[in-house]
Amino acid sequence: DSGVTQTPKHLITATGQRVTLRCSPRSGDLSVYWYQQSLDQGLQFLIQYYNGEERAKGNILERFSAQQFPDLHSELNLSSLELGDSALYFCASSVGESNQPQHFGDGTRLSIL
Amino acid sequence: GENVEQHPSTLSVQEGDSAVIKCTYSDSASNYFPWYKQELGKRPQLIIDIRSNVGEKKDQRIAVTLNKTAKHFSLHITETQPEDSAVYFCAAGGNTDKLIFGTGTRLQVFP
Repeated sequence: DSGVTQTPKHLITATGQRVTLRCSPRSGDLSVYWYQQSLDQGLQFLIQYYNGEERAKGNILERFSAQQFPDLHSELNLSSLELGDSALYFCASSVGESNQPQHFGDGTRLSIL
Repeated sequence: GENVEQHPSTLSVQEGDSAVIKCTYSDSASNYFPWYKQELGKRPQLIIDIRSNVGEKKDQRIAVTLNKTAKHFSLHITETQPEDSAVYFCAAGGNTDKLIFGTGTRLQVFP
């Protein structure tokens, strides 16, 4: 158990819909990172928050957005969903801003029908 | 831009043999290099990491070496066991706040 909690574990929805994925970081961690992993693919960095503020952005689509709340949990919002958005979405957390070990949650498997 | 290349993409070894996975990075400012192991359907797990002020680090059967001049780093697994079978990802982190991941190596250890 990494201490990073992601909900839900599985999500099945249709094209055009909107979903919210939730992540609670390990106790004491201030940074939250979101990654997308498509089938048999690598980890694509989406976005990072540190103590409530956006710190770094990767190849995140405009249809996707995220935020980190005062209690440090984070949400990733995916809208106007397309078939290609089907993937595993991982959240990771670390103590500091950068170059610290990142600990991953178990992921949310999103399936678009 | 920032890039991490990882080779090989697949690696098959006999139980007890050694396995070596290599990564090269492009950003000379990179100074943090973790390795993650991901079993099928599971989360990536940090197995070892190294910082640029160190050339080598060992943890039991796992070791990582770093050559900053050549901008490459490697994962060495000795005395491989079937439970080492997984996908291994290298990553590089620099002065920005993100890790750049390699494309992964699928390691299969045959009994």
